[in-house]
Amino acid sequence: DAGVTQSPTHLIKTRGQHVTLRCSPISGHKSVSWYQQVLGQGPQFIFQYYEKEERGRGNFPDRFSARQFPNYSSELNVNALLLGDSALYLCASSVDHATYNEQFFGPGTRLTVL
Amino acid sequence: AQSVTQLDSQVPVFEEAPVELRCNYSSSVSVYLFWYVQYPNQGLQLLLKYLSGSTLVKGINGFEAEFNKSQTSFHLRKPSVHISDTAEYFCAVTGGGNKLTFGTGTQLKVEL
Repeated sequence: DAGVTQSPTHLIKTRGQHVTLRCSPISGHKSVSWYQQVLGQGPQFIFQYYEKEERGRGNFPDRFSARQFPNYSSELNVNALLLGDSALYLCASSVDHATYNEQFFGPGTRLTVL
Repeated sequence: AQSVTQLDSQVPVFEEAPVELRCNYSSSVSVYLFWYVQYPNQGLQLLLKYLSGSTLVKGINGFEAEFNKSQTSFHLRKPSVHISDTAEYFCAVTGGGNKLTFGTGTQLKVEL
């Protein structure tokens, strides 16, 4: 079975632009979470979605938004990019959200903001 | 809310030597604890997890960790490391649900 897939692998943008990152969960998984990993730090939770509804949000500005589609894939959108948004963005999928289920991480999208 | 402290940012060790990577957590509720490994330019891979039961948990690649509630610790150990264990290791905690709180990571560098 395919694991969690993310696209694109790498992305370069300039300040002020917007970006859309995509994630496809493991087949049968209905929950998707997004994390931001700045160089030299641990991942920080951004969002969790389950059954197309937001189930959790981390301490990120409103420039960050996400959605989940009927096929459980997800998009993370970031508007008005800042240099500090440069990071590895990780997507994780799990069976559901209600109790702990193992999360499987994708390879990430490396975003560079110039 | 939960927090995780990984005191060692880097741990150098010779091949075949034992290693311990330290992790301490803070939480007002019962927790689930995890160790993840990240190889260069890759995502995170789960090494092991503590959900309940035995406080000594064994994971992949010969790693194990011990949950110590009184010391709020979850240190990762391996009796004999290999060059291929060189990677970044993250301790993480959740009080339930899927929101993980990660530590800042420990870079394990295995030398010949």
